[in-house]
Amino acid sequence: DAKTTQPPSMDCAEGRAANLPCNHSTISGNEYVYWYRQIHSQGPQYIIHGLKNNETNEMASLIITEDRKSSTLILPHATLRDTAVYYCIAPDSNYQLIWGAGTKLIIKP
Amino acid sequence: EPEVTQTPSHQVTQMGQEVILRCVPISNHLYFYWYRQILGQKVEFLVSFYNNEISEKSEIFDDQFSVERPDGSNFTLKIRSTKLEDSAMYFCASSEGDLYSYEQYFGPGTRLTVT
Repeated sequence: DAKTTQPPSMDCAEGRAANLPCNHSTISGNEYVYWYRQIHSQGPQYIIHGLKNNETNEMASLIITEDRKSSTLILPHATLRDTAVYYCIAPDSNYQLIWGAGTKLIIKP
Repeated sequence: EPEVTQTPSHQVTQMGQEVILRCVPISNHLYFYWYRQILGQKVEFLVSFYNNEISEKSEIFDDQFSVERPDGSNFTLKIRSTKLEDSAMYFCASSEGDLYSYEQYFGPGTRLTVT
């Protein structure tokens, strides 16, 4: 089973920041949290990952709480092309990515 | 920008037939993966492959499945005798880091339809 929980869906207005939460209260201290997204029927796309510190790249920012029990993926200026299912993933003990249902993010014009 | 490619984009086959799905990973990547996604369901890990052998496999990856890297560029998934429940999108992925880096790059997928 996935170690993470996410809301099933969220809306965001185009041009605004999209903040996607993820709970991962059971991950251990050395386990990274990875974010991917899947635009309809396409292959998943890697976004970002982090361990303790906040991370930023050209796609998004990742804010991880100090206790590491939750994190938030931030898309700073959402566009219609950011409509997708977003997955927050922590690898399992067998070194496999276990995918949950993710959050379906809908960007509205 | 380099990308993972997969062929064919759609494969239709009859139950009991063998299928081979093909992938060309990113050229300097060393770790290769297969995943599947049944329509409307979650992405499921099948197998990881490194140094010409399977590193990890899931319970789904039974004796009907096999993987091969027949040359320096292709990575294939073979299903020996397809069943109706094998109908799904199959995604290939590759990564350059060690096995425990999960920054993976996915191909566009092959839609397998078993009739």
